[in-house]
Amino acid sequence: DTAVSQTPKYLVTQMGNDKSIKCEQNLGHDTMYWYKQDSKKFLKIMFSYNNKELIINETVPNRFSPKSPDKAHLNLHINSLELGDSAVYFCASSQVQGARAEAFFGQGTRLTVV
Amino acid sequence: DAKTTQPNSMESNEEEPVHLPCNHSTISGTDYIHWYRQLPSQGPEYVIHGLTSNVNNRMASLAIAEDRKSSTLILHRATLRDAAVYYCILRDTYSGAGSYQLTFGKGTKLSVIP
Repeated sequence: DTAVSQTPKYLVTQMGNDKSIKCEQNLGHDTMYWYKQDSKKFLKIMFSYNNKELIINETVPNRFSPKSPDKAHLNLHINSLELGDSAVYFCASSQVQGARAEAFFGQGTRLTVV
Repeated sequence: DAKTTQPNSMESNEEEPVHLPCNHSTISGTDYIHWYRQLPSQGPEYVIHGLTSNVNNRMASLAIAEDRKSSTLILHRATLRDAAVYYCILRDTYSGAGSYQLTFGKGTKLSVIP
């Protein structure tokens, strides 16, 4: 069983479109994240949710809107896509606190905006 | 977040031990030292973490300096599959924003030579 799964794995779309990336974890974790990895391979956190509540919202355009319908899901909706949004987006989950707070990452969604 | 410094790249011969260093001179008393790695075209993967004592698991060993200002990830026998970017991350899992995110640096790109 895949611990953290994202769909789709690849997404090619035109500028101006609206798209969503879905993420699900079956680990029973309280916290879920979205990370963006740009062309320079730098991984940067975008959002962090704990028990369906937004905890961290880094400097991300408000065209990006995360939605957490339940603890196991954190979807990312992107409006009015721009060329600069092209990147690999990773979903992750972890328990919040304690020595065992390791994070599990999905395989990533490669978004290409043309 | 306390910062870490790692070499940009390292090389190792297959089946030889690899020592990946990390400096974290501003580490606080509640920061855990986490190591993740990212294989090509995959999401980051947890490797190991520790607080003060050296740690071993099936993937690697973590040696932590007595003053905790540096640590070393040890791969006992490098294989081709270990070629990846290795990230050393400090995480305060008991308070503040550190509980809710992993802050990735540039990491060390490890190449394994057959």
